[in-house]
Amino acid sequence: GAGVSQSPRYKVAKRGQDVALRCDPISGHVSLFWYQQALGQGPEFLTYFQNEAQLDKSGLPSDRFFAERPEGSVSTLKIQRTQQEDSAVYLCASSTRVAARGRTEAFFGQGTRLTVV
Amino acid sequence: AQKVTQAQTEISVVEKEDVTLDCVYETRDTTYYLFWYKQPPSGELVFLIRRNSFDEQNEISGRYSWNFQKSTSSFNFTITASQVVDSAVYFCALRTVTGGGNKLTFGTGTQLKVEL
Repeated sequence: GAGVSQSPRYKVAKRGQDVALRCDPISGHVSLFWYQQALGQGPEFLTYFQNEAQLDKSGLPSDRFFAERPEGSVSTLKIQRTQQEDSAVYLCASSTRVAARGRTEAFFGQGTRLTVV
Repeated sequence: AQKVTQAQTEISVVEKEDVTLDCVYETRDTTYYLFWYKQPPSGELVFLIRRNSFDEQNEISGRYSWNFQKSTSSFNFTITASQVVDSAVYFCALRTVTGGGNKLTFGTGTQLKVEL
């Protein structure tokens, strides 16, 4: 597609429920990133994929968070047993080159706003 | 560790005024990249500019200009003759090569409100 697409745009989950957030990156983009943005804050890094390989998951806040990109395109961020502190906007981004090059810009989706009640 | 500070939480200006958004960064890396993103109410982050640590030349793009000064670790962003459509949250971000250059470190953002 023309840009990074995320679904759903909004998700309300009851505490303890599992959720799955989807990201469709720009076609052909090698690198894919997930970020978490709390209200009034800047985005914070969660994890990074290069094609299907998850090369960096240092930002995942707990083992309840899991991300995958099995075919090197679409990615899913799964949160198990959601807690109120998981409420945030989850942003997905993709870029054309291997992230280690550093200089490439990432293109972001509109995000999924997760509210845990 | 990397850090980006945007001390201005919110700025309000009247249309056609010039406005400067401040960004100060911290890193021990000698090679790094600085970015500005715009986040309108719709939520997506829109890329505005990238600057690498070896290029201190200032840049102008239409009404936007950027002033990069390594001596003060600052990468400030100026909008000339602001317009209502410029209203958004603006984020400064830093990416270093250390650790594979995988992550952007963002500041907390500056909310810009341009009023008629």
